[in-house]
Amino acid sequence: AQSVTQPDIHITVSEGASLELRCNYSYGATPYLFWYVQSPGQGLQLLLKYFSGDTLVQGIKGFEAEFKRSQSSFNLRKPSVHWSDAAEYFCAVMNSGGYQKVTFGTGTKLQVIP
Amino acid sequence: DSGVTQTPKHLITATGQRVTLRCSPRSGDLSVYWYQQSLDQGLQFLIQYYNGEERAKGNILERFSAQQFPDLHSELNLSSLELGDSALYFCASSVGFKDTQYFGPGTRLTVL
Repeated sequence: AQSVTQPDIHITVSEGASLELRCNYSYGATPYLFWYVQSPGQGLQLLLKYFSGDTLVQGIKGFEAEFKRSQSSFNLRKPSVHWSDAAEYFCAVMNSGGYQKVTFGTGTKLQVIP
Repeated sequence: DSGVTQTPKHLITATGQRVTLRCSPRSGDLSVYWYQQSLDQGLQFLIQYYNGEERAKGNILERFSAQQFPDLHSELNLSSLELGDSALYFCASSVGFKDTQYFGPGTRLTVL
């Protein structure tokens, strides 16, 4: 069965500092991977996705993520965090074979301090 | 705005009752997904429909059912409601099977 682990429940960074949110997945083949962001009281917005090809993926709002097969990881990064980035971030994995099933991680809540 | 609409935005009801949540996918999307988000369970996939047919099932209780209509909108029916069913219910849509899912704003269900 596929699974996703986001080891950090809560992260606090200073505005302007760099950010890395960790995501590890478990899946037998190459999965499809996603990062979503959820602001308080809002739905989920797709930041970026990886299906195949270049393992460094660029997303919206200046985010990027790198797929590392050897580490089963898909960490999200941003070089300089803005106060508006404060939100909850979810990593998700979708099976690449058979019917579609998406499994989400438990989320990482990002706090940005001035 | 993702283009996915959900109604109602909030729903308050009592235990034992039945409710229906509605979702309209983005124009052109054939797949609809339902998710439940609660504090203790996190974000859980419930069920997927593609062009009117059930395609995948996740952690959906037998008290819950869904359908997708010919105009591609979908409804999630929750019956014999329990306190633990209180959660945010999200609908998402995508063009096909393995495409990006776009999420609606959610319906917050409170069972008293």
